[in-house]
Amino acid sequence: EGQLVESGGGLVQPGRSLRLSCTTSGFAFGDYAMSWVRQAPGKGLEWVGFIRSKTYVGTRDYAPSVEGRFSISRDDSKSIAYLQMNSLKTEDTAVYYCTKGPSSGWYSGYYFDLWGQGTLVTVSS
Amino acid sequence: DIEMTQSPSSLSASVGDRVTITCRASQTIDTSLNWYQQKPGKAPKLLIYETSSLQSGVPSRFSGSGSGTDFTLTISSLHPEDFATYYCQQSHTTPITFGHGTRLEIK
Repeated sequence: EGQLVESGGGLVQPGRSLRLSCTTSGFAFGDYAMSWVRQAPGKGLEWVGFIRSKTYVGTRDYAPSVEGRFSISRDDSKSIAYLQMNSLKTEDTAVYYCTKGPSSGWYSGYYFDLWGQGTLVTVSS
Repeated sequence: DIEMTQSPSSLSASVGDRVTITCRASQTIDTSLNWYQQKPGKAPKLLIYETSSLQSGVPSRFSGSGSGTDFTLTISSLHPEDFATYYCQQSHTTPITFGHGTRLEIK
């Protein structure tokens, strides 16, 4: 089944950076795309982006709202995915969920059968 | 971007009721439509993928249908644990997009 545990959230000032980690277990991490989805307080779900497996050269795709500011990476040796968030804005305040797809392959990051518990990022001065 | 429109935004129903939630895509997405359930303070849970496939462990009272631009999630007989918020999500193209959610409340 697997497990995902996010960490690294907290309070950060606008314009600063923060890196989230997603520590995984229980599945073949290297075979799957890893994705991030966020949820602002009291709001709906918003896809942030994903990184494909090394089989697909670890290609990445991002939501327009974070393109150029956020970057997803992975360390297959540690089974950890990262979300580097730069130039943070108040509207980036949200719970950030790490997710994985149900299958390996090119479309592995396109929907999500396993979610972490989320980590709250608050961007405020 | 593909916009996903859910209706209704909220719904009151009773235990035992049959409930249908609809999701419309702004352009065709074939059958690349997924449904999630989220309870307060918890991560979302995948219920249905690719329009009509039931995720492992999800009760058979949940079902999905549709194709192209119009999709539905049906709960055949509501159980107390089904009161939650439901989201549709298209997995046809990036950027991946979600509906705004349907809050299912107890009448």
